[in-house]
Amino acid sequence: NFVLTQPRSVSGSPGKTVTISCTRSSGLIASNSVQWYQQRPGSAPITVISENNQRPSGVPDRFSGSIDISSNSASLTVSGLKTEDEADYYCQSYGNNNWVFGGGTTLTAL
Amino acid sequence: EVQLVESGGVVVQPGGSLRLSCAASGFTFRKYTMHWVRQVQGKGLEWVSLIGGSGDFTDYSDSVKGRLTISRDNNQNSVFLQMNSLRTEDTAFYYCAKDRGDYTGFDYWGQGTLVTVSS
Repeated sequence: NFVLTQPRSVSGSPGKTVTISCTRSSGLIASNSVQWYQQRPGSAPITVISENNQRPSGVPDRFSGSIDISSNSASLTVSGLKTEDEADYYCQSYGNNNWVFGGGTTLTAL
Repeated sequence: EVQLVESGGVVVQPGGSLRLSCAASGFTFRKYTMHWVRQVQGKGLEWVSLIGGSGDFTDYSDSVKGRLTISRDNNQNSVFLQMNSLRTEDTAFYYCAKDRGDYTGFDYWGQGTLVTVSS
């Protein structure tokens, strides 16, 4: 099975842009779609990006997703950072009858 | 509006059993695979189990195989997780999640229910 590796934490000033990476250890990042979930403290996860780069309705367009075949990774970018974006973010993909999550990244708006 | 509401989380002794429920609304329940995902407090997310829309297909993570059983009742729009032979390491929040429809991930999540396995 593959592993998805995320940085433990990222931070940025309000109004700035931050990017969270998610690197797949084996197999191609493009072989299955990547989803991103936001989890605020004390709350359940919500989906902010599906199918690599699709925003569900209600998710601000400040959130965007992409994949990079050359680095075998996915990225979540949050632009115009707001304090309400402070949360844990998890990437997730599928392979070999297993739904794999990254370890999570804590985003702090300084 | 899609809603998933879990219930049944309690404190149980090691070796004990309990049954979690998830009541779904706002979508055509029988058409979608449903999942259980758990999270140890302060830790990451772990996929636990899934059941196909008609209930004819199930799958489990290696860590729970043989001890947890997923089922569903499409007349009641509910999915269940029967948990037997519980271990302290099963202590976690358990989330019910709706499959996106293509088996690759989740689009809606419930609020979770806390299972504590402790003597």
